[in-house]
Amino acid sequence: QVQLQQSGPGLVKPSQTLSLTCAISADSVSSNSVAWNWIRQSPSRGLEWLGRTYYRSKWYNEYAVSVKSRITVNPDPSKNQFSLQLNSVSPEDTAVYYCARGKFYALDIWGQGTLVTVSS
Amino acid sequence: QSALTQPPSASGSPGQSVTISCTGTSGDIGGYNYVSWYQQHPGKAPKLIIYEVNKRPSGVPDRFSGSKSGNTASLTVSGLQVEDEADYHCSSYAGSNWVFGGGTKLTVL
Repeated sequence: QVQLQQSGPGLVKPSQTLSLTCAISADSVSSNSVAWNWIRQSPSRGLEWLGRTYYRSKWYNEYAVSVKSRITVNPDPSKNQFSLQLNSVSPEDTAVYYCARGKFYALDIWGQGTLVTVSS
Repeated sequence: QSALTQPPSASGSPGQSVTISCTGTSGDIGGYNYVSWYQQHPGKAPKLIIYEVNKRPSGVPDRFSGSKSGNTASLTVSGLQVEDEADYHCSSYAGSNWVFGGGTKLTVL
């Protein structure tokens, strides 16, 4: 069955870059029928979709307006994984970050979540 | 503040039915038949229970059902069980973007 395994640091300093990776098993980041997403959850903002990457003969990315100037989601076909980079973080970016597979315009498989705290 | 509006709490007794609403706009719920619902137990990742308004993924009991009317979607849980106590989140496609509700805490009394 499809599984997503997240990795990355749980503590990031303000103004630095948050970086997380999501490794995919039993599916392919290059699949033509799904998309690979990042979502975060905090008590103040609830669930918030951040962005996604997907392959349809070429690679596409889509990002939430709220983070568009600071976010990059990159696929890594050689390792069958994808990553999140969020630049210039502030304490407001403190949240549990999830990766998830998108299928039928829904998020059907989720990673385990990573609590990222932005603090000096 | 979340884009979709859900009641913060709902409750019911075992065996009863409860319905949770999710209100959006014509730019999200009203414009697309791509409403999904997620169940989240404490400390766990969300789990998809409804997609495309009223479809259930394999393994989700038919006690869970979804519907939509205009800009409002609804999740109904019939025959409540103790293990249904969780947070429930609605979501909708909004044109190259996904929006969520603030979540509803369902208590099984």
